[in-house]
Amino acid sequence: DAKTTQPTSMDCAEGRAANLPCNHSTISGNEYVYWYRQIHSQGPQYIIHGLKNNETNEMASLIITEDRKSSTLILPHATLRDTAVYYCIVSPLGSARQLTFGSGTQLTVLP
Amino acid sequence: DGGITQSPKYLFRKEGQNVTLSCEQNLNHDAMYWYRQDPGQGLRLIYYSQIVNDFQKGDIAEGYSVSREKKESFPLTVTSAQKNPTAFYLCASSNRLAGGPHEQFFGPGTRLTVL
Repeated sequence: DAKTTQPTSMDCAEGRAANLPCNHSTISGNEYVYWYRQIHSQGPQYIIHGLKNNETNEMASLIITEDRKSSTLILPHATLRDTAVYYCIVSPLGSARQLTFGSGTQLTVLP
Repeated sequence: DGGITQSPKYLFRKEGQNVTLSCEQNLNHDAMYWYRQDPGQGLRLIYYSQIVNDFQKGDIAEGYSVSREKKESFPLTVTSAQKNPTAFYLCASSNRLAGGPHEQFFGPGTRLTVL
């Protein structure tokens, strides 16, 4: 599976957009980009996934570069409850053994 | 409400004892997973099961055992052979759709402390 690189930590002001980058330069054609987040001492929560097109849901937007070597998760209006560790994961299709969690990015939303 | 339950939330055991962590889901998912998380680290896969009566080792299976006798249940036993069992244990499940992406749903976790 392709590996990902994320910044260790980021801060964001409440109400502003949070842009979390992820580098996955070795991604292969059959691998999706997934984003999960984990609030302290809870189980991770799925946010969004994509293959090559940009995606948006009620939680966030995912922007994937044309060469698919990097992506950005956007939380459009960050709140204090968005403070969490955000994991960017790449994984192939159709495999139950699909998620390899790295250390992620600790996002702190500041009041 | 559909979801995944893990019990207990906190568990203490003496060194050398086996202990079993419970994981139940009512989402009708085929696949279930066990992860371990150490402080400040990401999740590491211990075991996973794609169907009843079948399971595979993950990246750190040594010292652990599982069973999958029912679709909704996937208990994890931490044996005395696990040298450093103190950790946060997370169970997850997913709908195993052939050829497509699928999200994993996680339980609240069990924090195991070996005294």
